[in-house]
Amino acid sequence: GAVVSQHPSWVICKSGTSVKIECRSLDFQATTMFWYRQFPKQSLMLMATSNEGSKATYEQGVEKDKFLINHASLTLSTLTVTSAHPEDSSFYICSAISRGGAKSSYNEQFFGPGTRLTVL
Amino acid sequence: DQQVKQNSPSLSVQEGRISILNCDYTNSMFDYFLWYKKYPAEGPTFLISISSIKDKNEDGRFTVFLNKSAKHLSLHIVPSQPGDSAVYFCAAGGSARQLTFGSGTQLTVLP
Repeated sequence: GAVVSQHPSWVICKSGTSVKIECRSLDFQATTMFWYRQFPKQSLMLMATSNEGSKATYEQGVEKDKFLINHASLTLSTLTVTSAHPEDSSFYICSAISRGGAKSSYNEQFFGPGTRLTVL
Repeated sequence: DQQVKQNSPSLSVQEGRISILNCDYTNSMFDYFLWYKKYPAEGPTFLISISSIKDKNEDGRFTVFLNKSAKHLSLHIVPSQPGDSAVYFCAAGGSARQLTFGSGTQLTVLP
């Protein structure tokens, strides 16, 4: 299957600093990427939908000025957590949809391995 | 408002027996459903999917059943193996191509 990578896999930062997380589709072009966050023992919650070359669409309750998303190319989307606080500590996961992927395949979202963010 | 629910947070099964994981949904606009397996600190791995126009899809040891009238789907794993121990998420998708996930079920297969 298609491969999606995330970098870094784990980051610890001080409160008030900004952290950038990269999501890359390694062997396919992704027109759309999704960003999720997962708290311990909870479900994956969709934060935003990122389309290449346009502004991200944020889910209700997600602050777009705090979670900056840039989908600058067909293989890269970045999530920047600005002025991070301890409550932002979470597991952030991206997924990517292959360009031209057939909806009928129903396996069109490929997930990255996730990034563990710890804000001290 | 949880549109996709997995009411059992955990399930333990003996190796070789059947594992049945359940999932309920409320939004009738979902037109496809997927099951993912997830290990701690890793992203979800796709297992199997089913279209809303079908009631069963089988792939090796994994079978997904869909009951549209009850808005219920289930994942059967036969025979269960210790390597199947993980958290299983069901997810539902619609025309927007976004996925809505359930809260997950921790499956433990005992040797």
